[in-house]
Order: sequence, then C-alpha cells, then structure tokens
Amino acid sequence: GENVEQHPSTLSVQEGDSAVIKCTYSDSASNYFPWYKQELGKGPQLIIDIRSNVGEKKDQRIAVTLNKTAKHFSLHITETQPEDSAVYFCAAPKTNTGNQFYFGTGTSLTVIP
Amino acid sequence: GAGVSQSPRYKVAKRGQDVALRCDPISGHVSLFWYQQALGQGPEFLTYFQNEAQLDKSGLPSDRFFAERPEGSVSTLKIQRTQQEDSAVYLCASSQGRNSPLHFGNGTRLTVT
Repeated sequence: GENVEQHPSTLSVQEGDSAVIKCTYSDSASNYFPWYKQELGKGPQLIIDIRSNVGEKKDQRIAVTLNKTAKHFSLHITETQPEDSAVYFCAAPKTNTGNQFYFGTGTSLTVIP
Repeated sequence: GAGVSQSPRYKVAKRGQDVALRCDPISGHVSLFWYQQALGQGPEFLTYFQNEAQLDKSGLPSDRFFAERPEGSVSTLKIQRTQQEDSAVYLCASSQGRNSPLHFGNGTRLTVT
C-alpha cells in the first residue's frame, strides 16, 4: 500500500517569509496529490492539489511541485501571513482506488507576526 | 447546506455506552468516507461508501464499529460498547468520485470517560 511521509512536523516562520513542506510517497502509480489545511476545531480543507501530468501548480501565494521520479511533492507558501498558521496535511491515493487517501502526519505551521 | 455537515460536534460517552455519529454529505457526492483522527495525527481511514454500498471497511478497528448509508446520502457511524481508546475526532468526507478531492466536515469529537 501507499506510505506517505511528511516533513517537518513543526515549522515556524516570520511573517512575510516563505514556508516549504515536503512529502514523499511510495506508490509510483499514484497520480493525484492534494494538500489540506486544518485549523483548530475544524475539518481539513483542500487548499491545492496536483495531478501527475504536471510538475507545478500555483494559486496566488500557494504552490505545489511534484517530482514523480523522486516520488515527492512539496507545498510552498510565499509571503506568509498569521492566518496561514494551521496544520497542513499532504495525501496520496491508496493503491488501485483513486478515491481513498493516505494522509501524512501533518505539519504545524506557525507564522510569527 | 453547501458543505459536509456532522453531528453532534461533541459527544461524551461513558465506557460501555453506544454512540451514533451522523454525516450529511454534499448533495450529489456519490463517495462518502469516515476517518478517525487522533490528537496530533493525520486522519486514518475507517470506511468508504459509493452510494449506499459499503465498498471498503478495512479500516474499522473492531467489530464494535459499524457504518451505514442506507439511501446513499446520510451516513451513520455507530460505535458499540465504547472504550477509552475510541476517543478521537471522527471526520466524514464526501467526494464526486475517483481522483476527486475529499471535502471534510468539521468532525465529531468523541470523548469516552
């Protein structure tokens, strides 16, 4: 089955700096990779996703890059703001399903004003 | 509503009691998932429905856990004879299908005393 590893587990950055979170996966057949943001007391919310036919996708201050050869994908947040503080999860599909996901263990991001 | 709705938001049960957690998915979403999230961890898959059919229940931790979605819309996760180790946040998610993002509810926080 899929194995998703996420690093770092905690990350503190100054407001305005960039934050990068990395995930690796094991199943070379995986072809869809979402990122979720979870605020305290709420469920995870999808913030960006990428399919394996592209190497990068950007949405305003958020971008995701995918390296299929190395089997890793990263979340990049630029010009961080205090409201970016949350726990971020990467996910990869369970083998041969496409609609069930393994989640990383999460990164707690703190943006210091 | 526009999102996934879960009730109750909080549930306190005495050890040995039965509990029932409800999920209202996004209208029209055929896929419905239940996840369990322990404190400081990522969501762990419990079970998956496509319409009313429960296609995968491999993540259910014991036969005390039972889920149903009789009409292919609302789902209920039932836990019988609750134990302290059942204390967690139970998340429900729905999606349009294969390789589509999961849309999560805000979860039910279950505390077993």
